[in-house]
Amino acid sequence: DTAVSQTPKYLVTQMGNDKSIKCEQNLGHDTMYWYKQDSKKFLKIMFSYNNKELIINETVPNRFSPKSPDKAHLNLHINSLELGDSAVYFCASSQVLEIRGEQYFGPGTRLTVT
Amino acid sequence: GESVGLHLPTLSVQEGDNSIINCAYSNSASDYFIWYKQESGKGPQFIIDIRSNMDKRQGQRVTVLLNKTVKHLSLQIAATQPGDSAVYFCAERKQGGSEKLVFGKGTKLTVNP
Repeated sequence: DTAVSQTPKYLVTQMGNDKSIKCEQNLGHDTMYWYKQDSKKFLKIMFSYNNKELIINETVPNRFSPKSPDKAHLNLHINSLELGDSAVYFCASSQVLEIRGEQYFGPGTRLTVT
Repeated sequence: GESVGLHLPTLSVQEGDNSIINCAYSNSASDYFIWYKQESGKGPQFIIDIRSNMDKRQGQRVTVLLNKTVKHLSLQIAATQPGDSAVYFCAERKQGGSEKLVFGKGTKLTVNP
């Protein structure tokens, strides 16, 4: 029944490592997103994809590389992790690219870089 | 109880009271707004939306008011319940180039039984 799922839910790793977060949606939506939420709960878009095509890249460091193998999946790979990457990362999806309805968010992945 | 959003990020109310959560948005060209609720340990969840050609929209126990003159949005929750305890975000749709949602800072609502 899960609409937008993310794995893992928690990720603890050391600086300099490379890690990936996976996201899948079973809603048949065309558009998927990655958001970052910092310790002050500030939520900011990082990327959006529409039908596997990159639409938005919000000046995110190129250590972050999204990959969309198909429109139901949007994974996030992070190279050379830094302390400042510690945050909760949310995947979301929406039916179409035009924002006219709600976005469905996943449960989040809490990344802690030590 | 009432919050002023950016300047008072927490709001504490008694169960049964009405709550008002405020949000100031940044772009006068934004034409669509959404309120989200985020419970602890979960992702944001859609509550209600409003287009810029409206001043008010009502849902179940929630009402959103939009004042474009002062770029202000509010969420009113009637008869607040403990299950309403969460962080509430307003988000505006920014146009020009690729559309995206820009989220406000959030207000933490605590409902005391």
